[in-house]
Amino acid sequence: DAGITQSPRHKVTETGTPVTLRCHQTENHRYMYWYRQDPGHGLRLIHYSYGVKDTDKGEVSDGYSVSRSKTEDFLLTLESATSSQTSVYFCAISEFKGNQPQHFGDGTRLSIL
Amino acid sequence: AQKITQTQPGMFVQEKEAVTLDCTYDTSDQSYGLFWYKQPSSGEMIFLIYQGSYDEQNATEGRYSLNFQKARKSANLVISASQLGDSAMYFCAFSDYGGSQGNLIFGKGTKLSVKP
Repeated sequence: DAGITQSPRHKVTETGTPVTLRCHQTENHRYMYWYRQDPGHGLRLIHYSYGVKDTDKGEVSDGYSVSRSKTEDFLLTLESATSSQTSVYFCAISEFKGNQPQHFGDGTRLSIL
Repeated sequence: AQKITQTQPGMFVQEKEAVTLDCTYDTSDQSYGLFWYKQPSSGEMIFLIYQGSYDEQNATEGRYSLNFQKARKSANLVISASQLGDSAMYFCAFSDYGGSQGNLIFGKGTKLSVKP
């Protein structure tokens, strides 16, 4: 199994508070991704990274920011959490782009009350 | 923009029978890949199988095979000899090689239930 660790695995917080989710990989893969999964929507890309300090927006990036200061860590931050950001968040990694599968962490279940 | 469609929200199959999960995509790209993932009730996303647009043969991985029909823009997953452990959500995903960092676009999924 790909060495991907997401933390925390579960979090409950209140509207307006900042939240940071962490993705840590031990595979030394270049590409890292953050998705959210909501009923009826499949997985949607929030942000992705193609190297240290190189990040870009995905389909649903509003309200989220990311940082990647080391190859192994990719952080997702909700600056001021809203109830619409209640979701399951997945981190994924891939060694190459396009023709290689992405491998996923186990997910973080985030509830914003 | 690419679009990927899974038309079957839910399906039932009898144990030991084969089942086909449908996936169609819409793209003007020539170079792309199709992926299938399994998500059991425990929640993790498990990569199953990959098909490249230039691959001449349909991909196979154990009991999983991909029925790739390029002209029809379909990439259906076939599971042979279904097992109870195959009960899960199945997602089809599309990636354009030359596009935005090879990002995956996911369908909305098909929930497969295997009956004993």
